[in-house]
Amino acid sequence: EIVLTQSPGTLSLSPGERATLSCRASQSVGSNYLAWYQQKPGQAPRLLIYDASSRATGIPDRFSGSGSGTDFSLTISRLQPEDFAVYYCQQYGTSSTFGGGTKVEIK
Amino acid sequence: EVQLLESGGGLVQPGGSLRLSCTVSEFTISNYAMSWVRQAPGKGLEWVSIISGSGGTAYYADSVKGRFTISRDNSKNTLWLQMNSLRAEDTAIYYCAKTVMVRGLITYYFDYWGQGTLVTVSS
Repeated sequence: EIVLTQSPGTLSLSPGERATLSCRASQSVGSNYLAWYQQKPGQAPRLLIYDASSRATGIPDRFSGSGSGTDFSLTISRLQPEDFAVYYCQQYGTSSTFGGGTKVEIK
Repeated sequence: EVQLLESGGGLVQPGGSLRLSCTVSEFTISNYAMSWVRQAPGKGLEWVSIISGSGGTAYYADSVKGRFTISRDNSKNTLWLQMNSLRAEDTAIYYCAKTVMVRGLITYYFDYWGQGTLVTVSS
């Protein structure tokens, strides 16, 4: 099973700042099959990015994904108030596993 | 707008059973694989089960294999999860999710999620 480690556990930033979240896999993710989800308290997860760098329908272009092999990242170029949430990565190159999440909180 | 609505959660004793439902609107589920994903209180996400569009093929996480059964009725646009022999560690919010298959039922991600239904297993 591929284990995904997300870092940092918590990211404290101010609105307007840039956020960079990391997702590291225990082995190479086939075909860069990696997705990112956003989850706000009391809500369901929402798909942001799939195939490592493709934005899902309706996702603002301030969200971008990059990376390959074992190292992936999600960047939010300028944090908006609605972006403070927990973010999860998921690999689907070999079965499906999720990372433990990164919480982006207001500093 | 795609909508998924789960129901059927509640409090059940260890060893008991529960059947979750997921009713879908604004898309025809027969064209898509569907999944259940759960989230224990304060924890991360865990995939539980996936079923093909026709309902002919299903897979399960090792943690629920032999105890949970996924099924669907495409004529009713409804997905179910029958949960038997429930354990305390099954306590979680259960989400149904529209599933995008990349390579059959082996690789997939989730593009729409319901709001979830809470299952609590406790005596």
